[in-house]
Amino acid sequence: EPEVTQTPSHQVTQMGQEVILRCVPISNHLYFYWYRQILGQKVEFLVSFYNNEISEKSEIFDDQFSVERPDGSNFTLKIRSTKLEDSAMYFCASSDGAADTQYFGPGTRLTVL
Amino acid sequence: AQSVTQLDSQVPVFEEAPVELRCNYSSSVSVYLFWYVQYPNQGLQLLLKYLSGSTLVKGINGFEAEFNKSQTSFHLRKPSVHISDTAEYFCAVSEHAGGTSYGKLTFGQGTILTVHP
Repeated sequence: EPEVTQTPSHQVTQMGQEVILRCVPISNHLYFYWYRQILGQKVEFLVSFYNNEISEKSEIFDDQFSVERPDGSNFTLKIRSTKLEDSAMYFCASSDGAADTQYFGPGTRLTVL
Repeated sequence: AQSVTQLDSQVPVFEEAPVELRCNYSSSVSVYLFWYVQYPNQGLQLLLKYLSGSTLVKGINGFEAEFNKSQTSFHLRKPSVHISDTAEYFCAVSEHAGGTSYGKLTFGQGTILTVHP
C-alpha cells in the first residue's frame, strides 16, 4: 500500500539554524500539507499546496517558513531561522482531492536547542 | 473559523466493553468530518469520514460515528474494544463552501483510549 514517508525521523538543531524537513507524498496525489504538533497540544495546520503554489496557510506559517516541491516526488518544509518554540512533531500529508482522505506520514520530531 | 472539541482527554475501558469518544465542532459553514487514529510512533491513520449522505458512517476496525448536525457532534463508537485499539484518537473537520475546499483540517486535542485486559 502506498504511503507518505518523511525524513529525518528526528532532527536536532541549534536555535537560529535553518532546517529542511523532507516528505515524499503518495505518487499520484495532487494536494500536499504540513501540520505540526507541539508536545501536549493539538495538531495544527500549517500550509496546503496545490498546483505548485500555496493554496492556504495559517498564521503560524510566517516568513520563516517556506515550502517547495523541487521535483516530482519531494515536498519540503524549510524553517529559515529556528526558534525554541518551533520544537514539535511535523507531519506531512497528501491527498488525491481537496475533500479526499489525507494520508499522513510518520512525522519528523524537530528539537531546537 | 472552525473549532473542534474532544470532551475527554483520556478514556480507560476494559476489553470487550463498548466505548464512545465524543467530538463537538463549531463552524459557520458546512463541514466534512473525520476521525483519525495514531498508534505510538506512527502517523495519523484515517478511521472514517463523513462527507455527505447517511449520517451514520462505518470505518475500519469496527468503528462507526454518527453526524448530528443539530448538536454539531460527531461521536465515535465501537461496541466491543480490543487491547489493540489502545491509541490516541483525533476528531477533525474541514470546511467547504460553494463546493470549494482546500482540505485544511482542524483537529481536536485528541483522546487517549486505553483498553485494559
